[in-house]
Amino acid sequence: DGGITQSPKYLFRKEGQNVTLSCEQNLNHDAMYWYRQDPGQGLRLIYYSQIVNDFQKGDIAEGYSVSREKKESFPLTVTSAQKNPTAFYLCASSNLAGNTGELFFGEGSRLTVL
Amino acid sequence: EDQVTQSPEALRLQEGESSSLNCSYTVSGLRGLFWYRQDPGKGPEFLFTLYSAGEEKEKERLKATLTKKESFLHITAPKPEDSATYLCAPAISGGYNKLIFGAGTRLAVHP
Repeated sequence: DGGITQSPKYLFRKEGQNVTLSCEQNLNHDAMYWYRQDPGQGLRLIYYSQIVNDFQKGDIAEGYSVSREKKESFPLTVTSAQKNPTAFYLCASSNLAGNTGELFFGEGSRLTVL
Repeated sequence: EDQVTQSPEALRLQEGESSSLNCSYTVSGLRGLFWYRQDPGKGPEFLFTLYSAGEEKEKERLKATLTKKESFLHITAPKPEDSATYLCAPAISGGYNKLIFGAGTRLAVHP
């Protein structure tokens, strides 16, 4: 079955550590996205990529980094510079045709900073 | 500034009690509006896309409608399995598939 796989589902981190969240898709979608979800707030865009080897900052990119070396993969690194990293992180992908295609989401990764 | 407001924040219904969820938006260059369902601890699941005012779409007990400033998600005779958070997200012009997500409405349907 086609879909988006995020790992790990739960992650605990000590302050000052970098962590990388994995996102893999087998939908053959060109575009991939990372969102952050906090209680009582809408999803906020961290980074997006429309093509391999290219990515753009979203609304809250500070303290995060990404790479897009393969079409299927879009890992997110939460660096020690991110001041409040505890959150639920969602990866998504979409077709670019028409540029209003629906987003397909993974199951999410919950990061807790101890 | 682009804004999306969903109301109510939370809604409790008895099984079979129909109701509507509201999504009000102020955005520039609306290209479509998406509705998603999200279960606790899971990623959002796509429900509908609406592209123009007056458009309606249905899926089982759910019907989504769109006006120039609002979208409604009508739930007819809900069942406990309809309990979830419902998210709306207008898509706007921005050079990419740019969605502005509301905070969602948490729906609880009790037997």
